[in-house]
Amino acid sequence: QVQLVQSGAEVRKPGASVKVSCQASGYSFTNSAIHWVRQAPGQSLEFLGWINVGNGDTKYSQRFQGRVVITRDTSAGTAYMDLSSLTPEDTAVYYCTRDWTYTAYDVWGQGTMVTVSS
Amino acid sequence: DIQMTQSPSSVSAPVGDRVTITCRASQGISNWLAWYQQKPGKAPKLLIYSASSLQSGVPSRFSGSGSGTDFTLTISSLQPEDFATYYCQQGNSFPRTFGQGTKVEIK
Repeated sequence: QVQLVQSGAEVRKPGASVKVSCQASGYSFTNSAIHWVRQAPGQSLEFLGWINVGNGDTKYSQRFQGRVVITRDTSAGTAYMDLSSLTPEDTAVYYCTRDWTYTAYDVWGQGTMVTVSS
Repeated sequence: DIQMTQSPSSVSAPVGDRVTITCRASQGISNWLAWYQQKPGKAPKLLIYSASSLQSGVPSRFSGSGSGTDFTLTISSLQPEDFATYYCQQGNSFPRTFGQGTKVEIK
């Protein structure tokens, strides 16, 4: 079945970086776009950026520009999200999700909890 | 950025009731509006895309309508498994933005 499986929970200190992976299966990975969305505890959802898996083009939210980098390894069927200069405000569940009709998200990873604490 | 405003923020209703949630965009987004259901500890689930298209496998008691700036999600007969938080999301422009959520609770 179509699924996205993310890496496990992470704990980081302020100022550090974190890299979350998202492995796709059950569909043509290279004919897709993967977006990253996060959700702080008790809050709504927030878009970070996306990657066109086929050509590697990326686009990031201005709010995270310079701190987030999204990459992919087509041979491994995996996308990655790297977030640097972490602060406690980055504590959240990070989701990868597949673009649907260029306007919505139809498949979601299970989420990766990232905790930033000294 | 386009701001998405949902109302109400929470609603309490018994099983079998009709429930309507509204979402307003800060500028016109044509029909590029999606609705998601999220249960505690789980990822969101796509219910409706393009304002009124039902995603495959989603029960027909869910429906969406609207265009421009004003949209609604209707659950025609609330079922026990529908108690969750619902989010709207605009797909008209980047960054994609979400509403603050509407929690549907049991009365």
